[in-house]
Amino acid sequence: RKEVEQDPGPFNVPEGATVAFNCTYSNSASQSFFWYRQDCRKEPKLLMSVYSSGNEDGRFTAQLNRASQYISLLIRDSKLSDSATYLCVVNIQMTALIFGKGTTLSVSS
Amino acid sequence: GAGVSQSPSNKVTEKGKDVELRCDPISGHTALYWYRQSLGQGLEFLIYFQGNSAPDKSGLPSDRFSAERTGGSVSTLTIQRTQQEDSAVYLCASSPGQVRRTGELFFGEGSRLTVL
Repeated sequence: RKEVEQDPGPFNVPEGATVAFNCTYSNSASQSFFWYRQDCRKEPKLLMSVYSSGNEDGRFTAQLNRASQYISLLIRDSKLSDSATYLCVVNIQMTALIFGKGTTLSVSS
Repeated sequence: GAGVSQSPSNKVTEKGKDVELRCDPISGHTALYWYRQSLGQGLEFLIYFQGNSAPDKSGLPSDRFSAERTGGSVSTLTIQRTQQEDSAVYLCASSPGQVRRTGELFFGEGSRLTVL
């Protein structure tokens, strides 16, 4: 079983749509959680951290459910510029970040 | 620039040859990571250096892969006797400390390796 699993998509949505991505992780010792964004042929960049209490940054909301070992990312009012691959990332104590394979989003006009 | 620098940006080699990939992290960053990304795949963790601690080599796929970090700064990833399945983009990242709090890794643009 992969440590971090995501639906690869692609998710094809029109501008203005709300889209949600899900992610599950297998190691209950995972301590911290993040979403990264990767544009085509570019390096990944941190999008936001994920907390049990939820984390909102503008149109983006991230949520963690430790009991279910489940992480989500909600994007409201999608923009063309949101088109990218979204990577779910977990950290287990004293190790490097473990990345999921990513979910691809394509927003069209 | 002040970002993570990797070289070469592209490398084409023949099966069986050795290759070296170089990473210059952001000055002052104590942690350095190597990942690789194959076409359509996620980032696969390879190795992690944190300060003067012994590196976490748990992600290296075989003993053909090795990495070192000299003087707590520049790192070299070496792949011996390259195979076609080694073809990937090798990404280096650095962070100012233990990443579990901030989650922010600063990635270089990667070294694209093609093994013919």
